[in-house]
Order: sequence, then C-alpha cells, then structure tokens
Amino acid sequence: SYVLTQPPSVSVAPGKTARITCAGNNIGIKSVHWYQQKPGQAPVLVIYYDGDRPSGIPERFSGSNSGNTATLTISRVEAGDEADYYCQVCDTSSDHVVFGGGTKLTVL
Amino acid sequence: QVQLQQWGAGLLKPSETLSLTCAVYGGSFSNYYWSWIRQPPGKGLQWVAEISHSGTTRYNPSLKSRVTISVDTSKNQFSLKLSSLTAADTAVYYCARFQGYPGAFDIWGQGTMVTVSS
Repeated sequence: SYVLTQPPSVSVAPGKTARITCAGNNIGIKSVHWYQQKPGQAPVLVIYYDGDRPSGIPERFSGSNSGNTATLTISRVEAGDEADYYCQVCDTSSDHVVFGGGTKLTVL
Repeated sequence: QVQLQQWGAGLLKPSETLSLTCAVYGGSFSNYYWSWIRQPPGKGLQWVAEISHSGTTRYNPSLKSRVTISVDTSKNQFSLKLSSLTAADTAVYYCARFQGYPGAFDIWGQGTMVTVSS
C-alpha cells in the first residue's frame, strides 16, 4: 500500500519559516491535504488540494507538491502554531485513504 | 455552519463490539461522504471507513473483516461498528465529513475515546 513519510519533528524560532515535508512515491501526481492537531483537539484542515486554504486559515500557511515530496510551509511562525501536522492522500490504486505519520512542530 | 456530534460507549471488553454514531447538523448531507478515523494514544491518524449518503462504502483493508459503516439519511446520521475488539483498538475515534476522492476531511467531530480493557 501507499506510504507517506514525514519527519517526526521540526523545530523553528518564532517569526521564522517552518517547512514540513511529506514524502511518497510520485506524490506530485496526487492531491495532498494537510491537518493541524493541537493536544486534546480534533484535527483541523489547513491546506487542501496541495495549496488551497480553507476559510479562516491564515495566509501564513501554504503548500506545494512536486515529484516525490509535498511541503507544508508556515511563514512567520507563532507560538500558537505549535502542533502535530499530518499529510493525507487518497490512494486510488488501493482504494483507500492514507495519512502520514505526523510531524510535531515545536516553536522554540 | 456544519457540526458533527458523535457518541458511543467509551469502555469495552475484549471481543465486544464497538458502536459509535455521528449526527450531522446544518449543511447538506447528500452531497458529501462520511468517514470514521481513529487515533491510538500518542500515535497518528488511521482512516477506518467511508460511506456515501446512498450507502456506498469503502473500508481500510486492515480492518475490513471487522468493520461495518452504515447511514441513516432520515436522521442525517452515520454509524460505525467494529467487532472482536482487542486492546489494539483502543483509540480516539473521530467522525468526519469527506469531500470524496481525491479530497480532504474538512469537518471533524469532537472525538470519542474508546478503551478496550478487561
């Protein structure tokens, strides 16, 4: 089945840019979605279809997808961005949904 | 504004069957798909199952033999049953609205912690 690989953790100073990657075989031809999950809360969709933002999500959140890597970029990181982030695709070959293992973003 | 509210038993014994229901308030029920996703303590998200308003289903292959998802369009509700529980099924279970392939889960329920323990 299709596998998505994320780094377990990423650290960034406030005001800097955080980049969280999601690697998968030829992921560039798939649509990638990103979720933010804070402790004790349900996940929240922050990026869908590679780079679109749902209503209410700050412009600081952006996404890209090419080749074997999709990337969630958070600009001007704030303390409130500290959370776990998950990527997700629909794998048509196996006919089911796949999540990455998640990345814990720490704001220093 | 669409809201998902879920409920079900939180403490079950091994070999028992988990039963959860999710109600959809506001918005269209028929234009979307509806899913269950779970998260074991301290671990990542795992997609469990999906159903359309007309009853078309998809299941995670690793759980397919034990899972049933169903829909009640008269109540705008959908449900999950997971049988032959073991400790490995201990998790927070979320219901979510799914945009359909190849889309995203754009609205989530509050989650239900299900513990399987003798």
